[in-house]
Amino acid sequence: AQTVTQSQPEMSVQEAETVTLSCTYDTSENNYYLFWYKQPPSRQMILVIRQEAYKQQNATENRFSVNFQKAAKSFSLKISDSQLGDTAMYFCAFPEYGNKLVFGAGTILRVKS
Amino acid sequence: DTGVSQDPRHKITKRGQNVTFRCDPISEHNRLYWYRQTLGQGPEFLTYFQNEAQLEKSRLLSDRFSAERPKGSFSTLEIQRTEQGDSAMYLCASSQGTGVDEQYFGPGTRLTVT
Repeated sequence: AQTVTQSQPEMSVQEAETVTLSCTYDTSENNYYLFWYKQPPSRQMILVIRQEAYKQQNATENRFSVNFQKAAKSFSLKISDSQLGDTAMYFCAFPEYGNKLVFGAGTILRVKS
Repeated sequence: DTGVSQDPRHKITKRGQNVTFRCDPISEHNRLYWYRQTLGQGPEFLTYFQNEAQLEKSRLLSDRFSAERPKGSFSTLEIQRTEQGDSAMYLCASSQGTGVDEQYFGPGTRLTVT
């Protein structure tokens, strides 16, 4: 079975600073996607960024970028210029065989003013 | 289209009662997923549909749980003889079923079994 591990239960960052959330995964698949989802307090889950495993270039979406290391099965999320609205639970997710998502346990990120 | 919707948003029930939740996916999305999320944890897969066909069920889905998606549109998740361990957030997601197949999540139904 595929597994996703997020080793940081909680993180804090000052507004405008940069923070990196870590994620490792285990799979025997070769071509796949990886996702980071954000779940703000009492609000629904939204996709932050995705990475295609066959692409060597790391994905970037505005202030969000990833460091994807396929050989190490590592997929970290970097948030630059952190904003108060970034406060949320962040989940790393892997679509097993292209469909159902396997999630990590999540990292609570608190952005402080 | 306003996204995935779920009803009710909150449900409090007594142990032993039956409950039913509804999910309306984004129109034209072929796939519909149900996940369960307990406090402080990541969502866990329960089951999914490709159109009206239920293609996979997790071992988490005991025989007290049943899901349907008549005519490949909305879906219902029923829990019979609820137990306190069923208390959780039940999330629905839908996707096109092609390409990247990004899943769009609804707001969830929070179930509390007393």
